Amino acid sequence: DTAVSQTPKYLVTQMGNDKSIKCEQNLGHDTMYWYKQDSKKFLKIMFSYNNKELIINETVPNRFSPKSPDKAHLNLHINSLELGDSAVYFCASSQDPGGFAGELFFGEGSRLTVL
Amino acid sequence: DQQVKQNSPSLSVQEGRISILNCDYTNSMFDYFLWYKKYPAEGPTFLISISSIKDKNEDGRFTVFLNKSAKHLSLHIVPSQPGDSAVYFCAASGAGSSNTGKLIFGQGTTLQVKP
Repeated sequence: DTAVSQTPKYLVTQMGNDKSIKCEQNLGHDTMYWYKQDSKKFLKIMFSYNNKELIINETVPNRFSPKSPDKAHLNLHINSLELGDSAVYFCASSQDPGGFAGELFFGEGSRLTVL
Repeated sequence: DQQVKQNSPSLSVQEGRISILNCDYTNSMFDYFLWYKKYPAEGPTFLISISSIKDKNEDGRFTVFLNKSAKHLSLHIVPSQPGDSAVYFCAASGAGSSNTGKLIFGQGTTLQVKP
């Protein structure tokens, strides 16, 4: 029973398209995140939500819009895809960030390829 | 501006020997440091952490050392096992509510443990 699950795991699409990646966690955590792993392998935070409220929004283009319908789900929608959006996107969750000691539970990642 | 760096992209060690993975950081405000382990096609999983008020934390075969004056931390694995072969990410979290839940990751070191 996967704790943090993302769909799809692989996504190949054309430039200019709009796509979504879904994430669900069954750990009962209050906080969820999206991280991007670029071609240089760095994992960089994009967004975090705590109980459906946006708390971290890094310098990410407006084409990226997270949506949290409830605290167990955090979806990522990307408009007008560009070549540079090709990356692996990881969803993660954690307990309430108060007193945060950093333990995140990650999904398996969604590899997005923009042609 | 990469605040967390792992300067060795790869490390190869014989089974039974010690593996030492290194990490450097630039921001003295970081208050927690963590190591994550990642197998191919999986998300990173939490391994061990250390608070900035400590200089050592041990968990079984894994020990993390923190040298704040040098802004350096290291992960020691003793004895190394073939199942430890993976990518190891160093990460740091910052102080203050604005950084709560935000982990800064290094680019990872691929460890290969040879039987």
